[in-house]
Amino acid sequence: EDKVVQSPLSLVVHEGDTVTLNCSYEVTNFRSLLWYKQEKKAPTFLFMLTSSGIEKKSGRLSSILDKKELFSILNITATQTGDSAVYLCASGSARQLTFGSGTQLTVLP
Amino acid sequence: DAGVIQSPRHEVTEMGQEVTLRCKPISGHDYLFWYRQTMMRGLELLIYFNNNVPIDDSGMPEDRFSAKMPNASFSTLKIQPSEPRDSAVYFCASSPRRVVWDRAYGYTFGSGTRLTVV
Repeated sequence: EDKVVQSPLSLVVHEGDTVTLNCSYEVTNFRSLLWYKQEKKAPTFLFMLTSSGIEKKSGRLSSILDKKELFSILNITATQTGDSAVYLCASGSARQLTFGSGTQLTVLP
Repeated sequence: DAGVIQSPRHEVTEMGQEVTLRCKPISGHDYLFWYRQTMMRGLELLIYFNNNVPIDDSGMPEDRFSAKMPNASFSTLKIQPSEPRDSAVYFCASSPRRVVWDRAYGYTFGSGTRLTVV
């Protein structure tokens, strides 16, 4: 059975802190690993990773994939209260994604 | 584009009643997905369609669940009869046929329907 595990389940930090979110995966048909941010409504796309060791960056967010260790991390630097959300990791193929249970990040002012 | 549109936003129903959730995908998207999200199980894929044809329904939990896509702009997920354990947020997502690099297969989620079965 395909499995995606995220840690920690929840995290509380103060504005300006740097956080690292973890995602490990075991899927039978790996094509990519994706990160989503979910606030109160629908998940919104952050990154798609397909190759090991290549960092993707978008502003204060960055992510990297290790296909040997079946692992990805999402880094957020200089956190802001607007970063508070559930961060979801998903892995699999284009038509069969398995999602992790998410990391609830709370950024306090 | 208005994005993926789901209705209703909230649904409260009594156990045993039929529930129908609706989804309008983004125009031109060939794939449509139904997901269910709960605290216990996270996001689970229930079923997906390609060009209105159901491709994989292995995630549909029971025969009480059924999904249809009569045309390219409309899909329904029906639960009959509903049970309290069906309470969850149900998301619809759509995707274009062509993979767009760095766009996650063009996955766009709707805002979801929060279903409560009492």
